[in-house]
Amino acid sequence: DGGITQSPKYLFRKEGQNVTLSCEQNLNHDAMYWYRQDPGQGLRLIYYSQIVNDFQKGDIAEGYSVSREKKESFPLTVTSAQKNPTAFYLCASTPRSYNEQFFGPGTRLTVL
Amino acid sequence: GENVEQHPSTLSVQEGDSAVIKCTYSDSASNYFPWYKQELGKRPQLIIDIRSNVGEKKDQRIAVTLNKTAKHFSLHITETQPEDSAVYFCAASTDSWGKLQFGAGTQVVVTP
Repeated sequence: DGGITQSPKYLFRKEGQNVTLSCEQNLNHDAMYWYRQDPGQGLRLIYYSQIVNDFQKGDIAEGYSVSREKKESFPLTVTSAQKNPTAFYLCASTPRSYNEQFFGPGTRLTVL
Repeated sequence: GENVEQHPSTLSVQEGDSAVIKCTYSDSASNYFPWYKQELGKRPQLIIDIRSNVGEKKDQRIAVTLNKTAKHFSLHITETQPEDSAVYFCAASTDSWGKLQFGAGTQVVVTP
């Protein structure tokens, strides 16, 4: 898990602003994932990507966007269309044909 | 899609006693079932997992059992210690790429 980094650790956003959360991995993993975590609600999948230049919507994709231009990077943009973005965001990755997901340390986003 | 239910949502045990958390899944094609432990403010970390061709797996004080017919699996922690206090998540996957559906989590509190 030390091979996955997320930045920043804490992020504050004003209403109406877009913000981008960074996720980088040096594990040579093929698949990457973004989750949102709210108290008492577990981990909900926002977007995932299994190969470069391709990504799929998860269960709660509305108000978010992603890109996967490089294998090691999977940034998440929280747009102004996301009405309640305050949450803990976790990035994860996994190699091809192996199920274990390795998580980054997370970014806590707060809307002011 | 897959739906995973987890019970109980909170579990309080005396140090030295056992703790059991149960999860049910809906998709009979699910073939991988991991359990993650998340301490407050930290990333989830895999503690044990089981695949559909195995009925039980143990690792020191932790064990997981799987009943494919009933579509449920359980985490057993024996001789609980204060450092076992955390939130535990179960998950299920039908996807060889590792896409997981998580349960809502169980807050375990071990009291001395």
